[in-house]
Amino acid sequence: QQQVKQSPQSLIVQKGGISIINCAYENTAFDYFPWYQQFPGKGPALLIAIRPDVSEKKEGRFTISFNKSAKQFSLHIMDSQPGDSATYFCAAIPHGSSNTGKLIFGQGTTLQVKP
Amino acid sequence: NAGVTQTPKFRILKIGQSMTLQCTQDMNHNYMYWYRQDPGMGLKLIYYSVGAGITDKGEVPNGYNVSRSTTEDFPLRLELAAPSQTSVYFCASSYSADRGNTIYFGEGSWLTVV
Repeated sequence: QQQVKQSPQSLIVQKGGISIINCAYENTAFDYFPWYQQFPGKGPALLIAIRPDVSEKKEGRFTISFNKSAKQFSLHIMDSQPGDSATYFCAAIPHGSSNTGKLIFGQGTTLQVKP
Repeated sequence: NAGVTQTPKFRILKIGQSMTLQCTQDMNHNYMYWYRQDPGMGLKLIYYSVGAGITDKGEVPNGYNVSRSTTEDFPLRLELAAPSQTSVYFCASSYSADRGNTIYFGEGSWLTVV
C-alpha cells in the first residue's frame, strides 16, 4: 500500500522562528506533492505544491524542499506567525492517478506558534 | 460563490441506522471526492467521481455508497452505521485531475455513531 509518513505529529514554535515539517514516501510512484493547511472546524486548503523534477519551491514564507533520491520532502515556514497555527498535511498523487486526482495524505502535523 | 457545501455539519447516529451526507459544488467541477479524517490518520479517500454517472472506489469504500446523477451533487450514503464510521467526512471537488489542479474541500461533516 502506498504510504506517506509525516513527522512530527505536533510542533510548537516561537513567533518569528522556523517551522519544519517532514514527509517521506515509500515508493517512487508519485507524480505530485501538495501541502494542505487546515484550521480548526474547516476543510483542508491547498498551501503549496511541488513536482518531483523540482528540488525546491518557494511561495512567500513557505518553502517546499524535495529530495527525490531520499524520497523525502519537507515544508519550511519562515518567520512563523501565530496565524500559521493550524494542522498541516503533506500529500502525494500516485502515478497513474493523474486522471483521477486521488491524493494519499500524511498523518498531519499540528503547529502552534506562540506569540 | 459558495464552493463546496456539505450538510449536515454534525450528526449523531445509532448503530444500524442509515443516513446520507449531502455535498454540492457550484464551480462546475468534473471531479468530486469523499474523504474521511480520523485523528492522527490523515485523510483517506472513500469514493470519487470523474463526472456525472461515473463513480469509483477509493481506499476505504466499505460501508458506504455514492451516486453522481448531476455535476453539482455527490451524496455519500452510510448503510447500517457502525462505531468505526465515527469520523469527520470531507467532500471535495476539482476541475480536472491534472497535476497542479487545486482540489477544494468543504468544511466537513462530523459524524458520531453510538
